[in-house]
Amino acid sequence: SQQGEEDPQALSIQEGENATMNCSYKTSINNLQWYRQNSGRGLVHLILIRSNEREKHSGRLRVTLDTSKKSSSLLITASRAADTASYFCASQGAQKLVFGQGTRLTINP
Amino acid sequence: KAGVTQTPRYLIKTRGQQVTLSCSPISGHRSVSWYQQTPGQGLQFLFEYFSETQRNKGNFPGRFSGRQFSNSRSEMNVSTLELGDSALYLCASSSPGTGGQGAQYFGPGTRLLVL
Repeated sequence: SQQGEEDPQALSIQEGENATMNCSYKTSINNLQWYRQNSGRGLVHLILIRSNEREKHSGRLRVTLDTSKKSSSLLITASRAADTASYFCASQGAQKLVFGQGTRLTINP
Repeated sequence: KAGVTQTPRYLIKTRGQQVTLSCSPISGHRSVSWYQQTPGQGLQFLFEYFSETQRNKGNFPGRFSGRQFSNSRSEMNVSTLELGDSALYLCASSSPGTGGQGAQYFGPGTRLLVL
């Protein structure tokens, strides 16, 4: 399969804690993107990091990219109940987006 | 701007039937991609259309087809439905000028159940 892998598959933390999700991909990329999905609905784009970037921030989100290891991580700081969702990384080469299997994040009040 | 819209939202069909799903991209977006999401296989790319031409295609059988109209609206068709086609079908559009590289804006999806 061309799909990437995400780790962990599920993560449960307390509100206010930080959440870290990891993603690995298989082919060379132009960019890597992270998406959020709530309960089987459509995906929401969170952040995009280009292959020549190593780190990017957006609000409470921090993404890192290591092209030598073909891996990325998403850090959500100061988590909130509304962050409960599934998070997917998606690697993009010359053409299509290839999604990982996702991490199911649960924020406990 | 209105977001990506998909119709219908839910659909129940029986094996052997065919189905057509519709997607209207964000105004001004000319690229439309389709994905299938299942618990077992995750999110898989079906195809992408740009300016009424199929630009990319995923690894799905020929029963899955699509098209795009001059107003950028897109349809996908699945013929001879199988139980395994039960899935959430997601459509996404992307901003012009990105050459397909960049954020995808997803619709709410069509949930198809094949009995």
